[in-house]
Amino acid sequence: GESVGLHLPTLSVQEGDNSIINCAYSNSASDYFIWYKQESGKGPQFIIDIRSNMDKRQGQRVTVLLNKTVKHLSLQIAATQPGDSAVYFCAENRGYSTLTFGKGTMLLVSP
Amino acid sequence: GAGVSQSPSNKVTEKGKDVELRCDPISGHTALYWYRQRLGQGLEFLIYFQGNSAPDKSGLPSDRFSAERTGESVSTLTIQRTQQEDSAVYLCASSLDGRGYTFGSGTRLTVV
Repeated sequence: GESVGLHLPTLSVQEGDNSIINCAYSNSASDYFIWYKQESGKGPQFIIDIRSNMDKRQGQRVTVLLNKTVKHLSLQIAATQPGDSAVYFCAENRGYSTLTFGKGTMLLVSP
Repeated sequence: GAGVSQSPSNKVTEKGKDVELRCDPISGHTALYWYRQRLGQGLEFLIYFQGNSAPDKSGLPSDRFSAERTGESVSTLTIQRTQQEDSAVYLCASSLDGRGYTFGSGTRLTVV
């Protein structure tokens, strides 16, 4: 999603719901994409990655979807739990260039 | 070490003072990165070290910012004559293959 001023876009869900967090990336030449989770007061933590030769990859409770046609990445979290509450960032790079991060989405999970 | 270690975790400094932030990467990781994160914002790239190559300094916002790395170990980020707009969390990351980064917990810098 797009950021509005200093306020992160926020997704509020109930515990047990499925969550979908979206990201529009900027560089059509990017060939590697990562989702990071950042909890308050901590550094970003790797969740899942995907290369440009794939359009879907699944992990434990998480799935990343890549649509290169529209430069869109999404993170799906199944059966969302309160511990999933955090800010989620997508990141992209090409080859071994430095990662470029998106602006982040805050996920709030209510019990 | 087991993870990326940053120190101090918090730093409050007066405007105009110099500060030095430290990063200990994961042993064996040849790549080291510094990012800045302002409140409620994404991560802004500052500088990148890869082995013995010249660092990529393209993200440093001004000549008040500099960084060094000793071989493939510790790195220090120095901010001279700090300004209030330098207040942010400074994150360090290291990587073995230049793809997946492991981040430290950051140093929260407050310039008063």
